[in-house]
Amino acid sequence: QVQLVQSGAEVKKPGASVKVSCKASGYNFTNYALHWVRQAPGQRLEWMGWINADNGNTKYSQKFQGRVTITRDTSASTAYMELSSLRSEDTAVYYCARGTIIINWFDPWGQGTLVTVSS
Amino acid sequence: DIQMTQSPSSLSASVGDRVTITCRASQSISSYLNWYQHKPGRPPNLLIYAASSLQSGVPSRFTGSGSGTDFTLTISSLQPEDFATYYCQQSYSAPYSFGQGTKLEIK
Repeated sequence: QVQLVQSGAEVKKPGASVKVSCKASGYNFTNYALHWVRQAPGQRLEWMGWINADNGNTKYSQKFQGRVTITRDTSASTAYMELSSLRSEDTAVYYCARGTIIINWFDPWGQGTLVTVSS
Repeated sequence: DIQMTQSPSSLSASVGDRVTITCRASQSISSYLNWYQHKPGRPPNLLIYAASSLQSGVPSRFTGSGSGTDFTLTISSLQPEDFATYYCQQSYSAPYSFGQGTKLEIK
């Protein structure tokens, strides 16, 4: 079955970077896009950006532009999201989710990765 | 950026009730509107895509409607497993924003 499995929880200090992985299985990796969405405590879901797994093109939310980098390794069917210059407000559960190249509804989602930013 | 607003933010209902959740976009998004169910400790689950299409495997008691700026999610007869938070999301243009969520609780 289609599945996205993310890397484990991370604890980082302010100013550091974090890189979260998302390994896909059960479908042709390059036929879809992968999106990253986060949810801070008590907040709504927030879209961060996406990558076309076929050609590697990316688009980021302006809110995270300059701090987020999404990449993929087609040989490993894995996408990565790196967020730099972390601050306490970046403490959140980060999800990857599959979308189509053309229309962006998200299904399925990875299990989520908790990133805690604390000194 | 397109802003998504849901109402109500919370709702108490009983098993067997019919409930409706509303989502409003700050500009027309045609039918590019999706609904998710989110339970604590689990990832969100796609229920409805393109405003009214039922995702495979989702019970038929969930229906979506609307176009333009106003959309609704209706659950025809609440089941115990339906108590969760529901989010709308627009897929019209990036950034693909979500509503603030509607928490559905047991009365």
